[in-house]
This record gives sequence, C-alpha cells and structure tokens, in this order.
Amino acid sequence: GAVVSQHPSRVICKSGTSVKIECRSLDFQATTMFWYRQFPKKSLMLMATSNEGSKATYEQGVEKDKFLINHASLTLSTLTVTSAHPEDSSFYICSANPAGILPNEQYFGPGTRLTVT
Amino acid sequence: GENVEQHPSTLSVQEGDSAVIKCTYSDSASNYFPWYKQELGKRPQLIIDIRSNVGEKKDQRIAVTLNKTAKHFSLHITETQPEDSAVYFCAASRSGSYDKVIFGPGTSLSVIP
Repeated sequence: GAVVSQHPSRVICKSGTSVKIECRSLDFQATTMFWYRQFPKKSLMLMATSNEGSKATYEQGVEKDKFLINHASLTLSTLTVTSAHPEDSSFYICSANPAGILPNEQYFGPGTRLTVT
Repeated sequence: GENVEQHPSTLSVQEGDSAVIKCTYSDSASNYFPWYKQELGKRPQLIIDIRSNVGEKKDQRIAVTLNKTAKHFSLHITETQPEDSAVYFCAASRSGSYDKVIFGPGTSLSVIP
C-alpha cells in the first residue's frame, strides 16, 4: 500500500529557533500533501494544503509566515516552524493522496512530536 | 467551509457489545466519508470509508451508514474487543483527488473486558 514517512519523529528545540519537518511519499507521487496539527486529546486540525511547484494554501487562522511550507518535488513536502514558541508544541502529521488510485483517500505519515522549551 | 460534528465524545462498552458513533456534516457537496482509528501517539488508520453513491458499507465487524438527505453518517462496530479501544474520527471530503479532508472532534472508545 501507499507509504508516507516523516522525519524527524521527535524533536525538541529551544524557543526562538526554527524546526523543519519532512514528509515523503515513498512509493507514489503526490502533487498535493496536507499538514495537520494535533494537540493532546484533540482532533486533527488541517493547517495547509501543500501544492507541488506552487504556493501552499493555508487554512484560516494559520500564519503562513510562521509555518513555511515547501513542496519542491512530487515526493517531498517540508513544514518549517519558524521562531518556535512553547505554544507551538504539538503533534504534526502530514498526509498525501496517491492520485489516480482512489480519489480523496489519504495516507498519513507517522507524525512528528515537537516540543519547544 | 465544511464542519463535521461527532457524538459521543467518549464511549464505554462491554466486550462483545456494539458501539455506534454518529457524525453530521454541513457541506452538501461532500461526497467521501472516511473513518479513522487512532491509537495513542500513532498515525490515524483508515478503517472504512463510504462514498455518497451508496447508503451502507460493511467490512466484517465494522459498518458505516450514510444519509445524504440528513447529512449524517454513522459507524457501527459489532462484537467489540479490547483491541478496538482507541480514538475514532469521522471525516468528510468533497470530490476530486486533492480535496482536503476535514475531521470530526473524535470519539474515545473504551471496550471493557
């Protein structure tokens, strides 16, 4: 089946620094990937849609200058949390749709646990 | 935009009993409704999905029903087992390969041995 990986799985950083999270589709191409944030015991909140070769589409309330998304190839999207603060600590999950197989069906990465101290 | 509601937020059942989780959605253009199971610290796993051209779908102990007119859909788990304990999310999406999936708030299911 379709496999999506994320790196790193866990990261701890100091307040004010930036952190980059990678999302890769391992056995399929994905022109679109999605980034979610999940707080403890909460649902997955869609942050943005990552589009290969063009700008990401951000959901209302998500700061695009704080959460930089780059989708440089058909298998890689990156999310950079800039000037991280403790309130950015969360579980970040990406997903991708293997287009041409089944519409809408999303495959999720394993997630990245970000802790900002 | 799409808004998905889900009830109950927590559900405890005895092993062997059935569990039912209900969701409603707001966007009448939504036509794909997946259900995900998420264990603590893990990624969501698709357990079943339904598209708007059918009213019911079943896969072993899991079934989903869809009422497009009322804009609600439900997950039914029969003969529950302790390993069914997890958080379940319903979701909704519009047609097209790249349309975003909007999640409900989740239901924490506990199956008591």
